[in-house]
Amino acid sequence: AQRVTQPEKLLSVFKGAPVELKCNYSYSGSPELFWYVQYSRQRLQLLLRHISRESIKGFTADLNKGETSFHLKKPFAQEEDSAMYYCALRPMEYGNKLVFGAGTILRVKS
Amino acid sequence: KAGVTQTPRYLIKTRGQQVTLSCSPISGHRSVSWYQQTPGQGLQFLFEYFSETQRNKGNFPGRFSGRQFSNSRSEMNVSTLELGDSALYLCASSYTGTQNNEQFFGPGTRLTVL
Repeated sequence: AQRVTQPEKLLSVFKGAPVELKCNYSYSGSPELFWYVQYSRQRLQLLLRHISRESIKGFTADLNKGETSFHLKKPFAQEEDSAMYYCALRPMEYGNKLVFGAGTILRVKS
Repeated sequence: KAGVTQTPRYLIKTRGQQVTLSCSPISGHRSVSWYQQTPGQGLQFLFEYFSETQRNKGNFPGRFSGRQFSNSRSEMNVSTLELGDSALYLCASSYTGTQNNEQFFGPGTRLTVL
């Protein structure tokens, strides 16, 4: 079975503070992992994926297979980062199926 | 390029009725996936269609069905609606369904069952 766990429903930080959104997964195969973001009144959109190994809007995420984690990090939070963040896993044998975590609301306070 | 569109955006039905939701993928995309989003269960995969064939199915009862047309547009149908079917239904499209293919989500259809 595949499962994605995001332990925090809400993460509140001050502007300029570091951010880490936690994501742990359970999957027996080789995972493809993503972070999706949903800003207020906008549609769900891809933020980054582990295979790209890139930084988007200052966010990075490293796949740690030993700890089965894919935490999202940003060194200095900005107010425009406030949004709902979803971690998702794509099991390789199921086409485009995505298994989502419950999501974490990030609030960046000024 | 126009994004993924979903119609209608809002729908109110009563228990026992059936409903059909529509999704138009980005031009050239052949894969369409459907998700149900509720406060209690979060985002759950319903099914995926690729080149008019259902490729994967989530753990939902047979009342939930779908299809894809030759132009890649997809519809999902829910029969004998229950109160618990109230949710935001999202569709996502991608070019194929292999690795490195980004999925693009639509705005969703908000279904309320009374």
